[in-house]
Amino acid sequence: TQLLEQSPQFLSIQEGENLTVYCNSSSVFSSLQWYRQEPGEGPVLLVTVVTGGEVKKLKRLTFQFGDARKDSSLHITAAQPGDTGLYLCAGDEYNNNDMRFGAGTRLTVKP
Amino acid sequence: KAGVTQTPRYLIKTRGQQVTLSCSPISGHRSVSWYQQTPGQGLQFLFEYFSETQRNKGNFPGRFSGRQFSNSRSEMNVSTLELGDSALYLCASSYQNLNTEAFFGQGTRLTVV
Repeated sequence: TQLLEQSPQFLSIQEGENLTVYCNSSSVFSSLQWYRQEPGEGPVLLVTVVTGGEVKKLKRLTFQFGDARKDSSLHITAAQPGDTGLYLCAGDEYNNNDMRFGAGTRLTVKP
Repeated sequence: KAGVTQTPRYLIKTRGQQVTLSCSPISGHRSVSWYQQTPGQGLQFLFEYFSETQRNKGNFPGRFSGRQFSNSRSEMNVSTLELGDSALYLCASSYQNLNTEAFFGQGTRLTVV
């Protein structure tokens, strides 16, 4: 089983819709990161959250870190076709020094 | 500044062969981590190097090895290739460790036939 479970695995929506994807674990993380990966490219970092309960906004993207630092969510408002990609969460487990990734949510936004 | 460069971009090898992949991190970055990405398993951590020393290691067999040079460039080697080693191999560089901002290369797509 993955250390970080992401849901849903696949999501296909129409342009303009809102969506939320989740990243859950039973472990506590010192920090958690969200990446977006497009075909043929490496993942690109979107945000890092470090404080329990923290909320960060990046234009139409809102990231939240759970109070217990075990989970996170990514909410996209008014999705656009350019948001299409694989969204990955990654966390460094408390007292470890490496980043572990979830399997990702593959998002398709249709025009 | 130049990004993370991985070479080669594509590689086809036969079972039993060995392969070496290269990663040049962003200038000034000392941490280089390697990941294997497959459709079924997602991104799996292989190992991390910092200042020429392996600092962390994932759960991969000993056929997977790596090293880092004094200029922070890193190589990973896979010996006795198996069909299941077919994957996208990604390296990520960061200044200190992956808790800070990490930058990924485009990856090397390895196909084992």
